[in-house]
Amino acid sequence: DQQVKQNSPSLSVQEGRISILNCDYTNSMFDYFLWYKKYPAEGPTFLISISSIKDKNEDGRFTVFLNKSAKHLSLHIVPSQPGDSAVYFCAASARESGGGADGLTFGKGTHLIIQP
Amino acid sequence: DTAVSQTPKYLVTQMGNDKSIKCEQNLGHDTMYWYKQDSKKFLKIMFSYNNKELIINETVPNRFSPKSPDKAHLNLHINSLELGDSAVYFCASSQAAGFYGYTFGSGTRLTVV
Repeated sequence: DQQVKQNSPSLSVQEGRISILNCDYTNSMFDYFLWYKKYPAEGPTFLISISSIKDKNEDGRFTVFLNKSAKHLSLHIVPSQPGDSAVYFCAASARESGGGADGLTFGKGTHLIIQP
Repeated sequence: DTAVSQTPKYLVTQMGNDKSIKCEQNLGHDTMYWYKQDSKKFLKIMFSYNNKELIINETVPNRFSPKSPDKAHLNLHINSLELGDSAVYFCASSQAAGFYGYTFGSGTRLTVV
């Protein structure tokens, strides 16, 4: 049972354009969401997060949007750069209900390819 | 200075063997985790340790046992390895049980033949 879904296994975007990565979740208890970036042969690296009390969080070129009613979040990268080519994982936590150490539930990831 | 380091990076072993993967973090974090990335690419939590106490233990076989000699180390022992144990295992740490800025290690690719 996939509680966090990333339905696009891959996404190709031209350099300089906007990359939009999508994520859906089914567990209404999730209240904290994160995006991780992963290069080959490396561990995931924390990118940006958002609490359910917000609908937007921005950090430089990266913005995460949360639509709680639709149980959907998205990561926008603008402008996209070649170094952004990586696998992006969406993750969620029921932090308030489950306590801090429940761990994160990850999606399968989306492979973002930035084309020159 | 690697923040979360795991060894070995690659491990090839025969079915039935017992093996260990070591993990160390130099960040002073309170909580450490083991995640498994299977062939379908899902990252699933296996264990977490906070102040030497096992906090969660997902439905993993009891052939897998975490061992934490101190706050900076969380090793993973696997007994009687099976083909299905082949996966990439990631160690991670976080500042406190309620803080989710995990720092991951680079992973250990385990192949059971």
